[in-house]
Amino acid sequence: GQNIDQPTEMTATEGAIVQINCTYQTSGFNGLFWYQQHAGEAPTFLSYNVLDGLEEKGRFSSFLSRSKGYSYLLLKELQMKDSASYLCAVRASDSWGKLQFGAGTQVVVTP
Amino acid sequence: EAQVTQNPRYLITVTGKKLTVTCSQNMNHEYMSWYRQDPGLGLRQIYYSMNVEVTDKGDVPEGYKVSRKEKRNFPLILESPSPNQTSLYFCASSAQYRRDSDSGTKNIQYFGAGTRLSVL
Repeated sequence: GQNIDQPTEMTATEGAIVQINCTYQTSGFNGLFWYQQHAGEAPTFLSYNVLDGLEEKGRFSSFLSRSKGYSYLLLKELQMKDSASYLCAVRASDSWGKLQFGAGTQVVVTP
Repeated sequence: EAQVTQNPRYLITVTGKKLTVTCSQNMNHEYMSWYRQDPGLGLRQIYYSMNVEVTDKGDVPEGYKVSRKEKRNFPLILESPSPNQTSLYFCASSAQYRRDSDSGTKNIQYFGAGTRLSVL
């Protein structure tokens, strides 16, 4: 089985930086995704990591360390619209079709 | 416009009355999947399909059925719904690209808008 852990909630002020950590224990590894989900809406793709290192995309960056079973999503220059739930999801190598999600981290951006 | 379409968006039903939630995608994706989302539990995978006539169980398949007769459609069937199936359901699809270092955005899952189901 797989276990994916991320903090339940984080609060930060507008313009600040927030780092959301995700740790996983899986039977093999074949990629990690980060999704953003606003309340009542569908998840939307933010980033994908399959190799170790940092992937940067505008204000959002994602890092992966496969040896440590660890990833983080970095949100810079926070805006009010970034208030949302951020979902970490892992694909195991032994079953490409299975994707397991963490419970999500609710980020609250305050003025 | 590329999209995943689920219907209905909202459904209230009673215990034991069979229902089907439809899912259709127009991106010619091989892979489709169903998830349910409950507070504090996140998204949990119900069933997925790697291609036409190929389906497999996710983590919470009990009480659900699926079929994949055509590439674009992947309906979710609840033969005898029960109150513990009250949830928010999402359908998703993606291309299926397996080369690890090049997978990149080819493996993104695109989600439908969701179906909020209440079983009384």
